[in-house]
Amino acid sequence: AQSVTQPDIHITVSEGASLELRCNYSYGATPYLFWYVQSPGQGLQLLLKYFSGDTLVQGIKGFEAEFKRSQSSFNLRKPSVHWSDAAEYFCAVVPLGFQKLVFGTGTRLLVSP
Amino acid sequence: DTAVSQTPKYLVTQMGNDKSIKCEQNLGHDTMYWYKQDSKKFLKIMFSYNNKELIINETVPNRFSPKSPDKAHLNLHINSLELGDSAVYFCASSLAGGLNEQFFGPGTRLTVL
Repeated sequence: AQSVTQPDIHITVSEGASLELRCNYSYGATPYLFWYVQSPGQGLQLLLKYFSGDTLVQGIKGFEAEFKRSQSSFNLRKPSVHWSDAAEYFCAVVPLGFQKLVFGTGTRLLVSP
Repeated sequence: DTAVSQTPKYLVTQMGNDKSIKCEQNLGHDTMYWYKQDSKKFLKIMFSYNNKELIINETVPNRFSPKSPDKAHLNLHINSLELGDSAVYFCASSLAGGLNEQFFGPGTRLTVL
């Protein structure tokens, strides 16, 4: 079945440590790929997106993501996490031929002092 | 200056009632969306309008009726509210086309008692 999977429901990272959030997709053709962040009590904000080209994508707030076709993955990374990064992170796709975002189930990031 | 605003922020009501949520965007976008986020944070699109025309209508009970009086507004009316309608409803907007960044409102938390 077509889906977007975020295997980690919760992740806790120490402030200053590196972060990687996983995202896998299952579609016949590679969809367009996005990462959104939802801070507590707020709406979602786009961090970055990948359509084609360089497989390492830079986004806002120091985030980057790497597209790996062989693994059907689009993992989000940050070299040094700040306490303000604590939020819910959503991987999302726009399947080819469609005009709608399909979201993964989200990963809650907790940042410990 | 709020880009995408929703009213009310919180809505508590009894089963069987009818309620509306309003959304306005001042970004000059052509396309607006309604999403539902359930208690497990799963986010799913409900409707999308482009230039006041309905373009996405997911499998949503017909008790839900979106209305777009103009490009800047997209309201959601819900008839005969049920317990399962309790969720956070997000409005979003973007330029036309499914690949453009979507800007989300702060959400409306609906609680049906």
